Amino acid sequence: EPEVTQTPSHQVTQMGQEVILRCVPISNHLYFYWYRQILGQKVEFLVSFYNNEISEKSEIFDDQFSVERPDGSNFTLKIRSTKLEDSAMYFCASTAGVGTDTQYFGPGTRLTVL
Amino acid sequence: QKEVEQDPGPLSVPEGAIVSLNCTYSNSAFQYFMWYRQYSRKGPELLMYTYSSGNKEDGRFTAQVDKSSKYISLFIRDSQPSDSATYLCATPGFSDYKLSFGAGTTVTVRA
Repeated sequence: EPEVTQTPSHQVTQMGQEVILRCVPISNHLYFYWYRQILGQKVEFLVSFYNNEISEKSEIFDDQFSVERPDGSNFTLKIRSTKLEDSAMYFCASTAGVGTDTQYFGPGTRLTVL
Repeated sequence: QKEVEQDPGPLSVPEGAIVSLNCTYSNSAFQYFMWYRQYSRKGPELLMYTYSSGNKEDGRFTAQVDKSSKYISLFIRDSQPSDSATYLCATPGFSDYKLSFGAGTTVTVRA
C-alpha cells in the first residue's frame, strides 16, 4: 500500500539553526500539507501546497517557514532560524484531490530544538 | 472559535466494552467530519469519515453526526487492547485544504 514517508525520524538542532524536514508524498497525489503537534497538544495545520504554490497557510506559518517541492517526489519544510517553541512532531500529508479527499499522513519527524 | 472541540480524556475501559467518544463543532453548516486514530509516536490514520448527518458503520466502528446539537460521536464495539490509541476528530470546516483537529482522546483498553 502506498504511504507517505518522512525523513529524518528525529532531528536535534541548536536554536537559531536552519532545518529542513523532508517528505515523499504518495506518488499520484497532487496536494501536500504540513501539520505540527507540540507534545501534549493537538495537531495543527501549517500549510497546504498545490501546483508549486501555497494554497492556504495558518498564522503559525510565518516568514521563518517555507515549503518547496524541489523535484517530482520530495516536499520539504524549511525553518530558517529555529526557536525553542518549534520543538514538535511535524507531519506531512498528501491527497489526490482537494476538499473532502482523504489526507494520508506520514509517520512524522520529531524536531527537538535545544 | 475552534472548529472542533474534544474532551482529551483519558478513557480506560475493560476489553469487550463499548467505547464512546465525542466532539462538538462550532458551525452547523460544516458537513464533513473524520475520525483519525493515532498510535503513540505515529502519524494520524483515517479511521472513518461521515458526511452531513446520520450514522456510518464499519465493522466494530460507528460514526454519528447530530446536526441539531453539533455533536459528532465515534463508538467502538467489543473493544480490543489493539484499539488503545488516541482518537482525533477533524473537519475541514469551510476550507478546501486544511483539517482542524480536536485535542484527541486517549483510550486504553485493558486486557
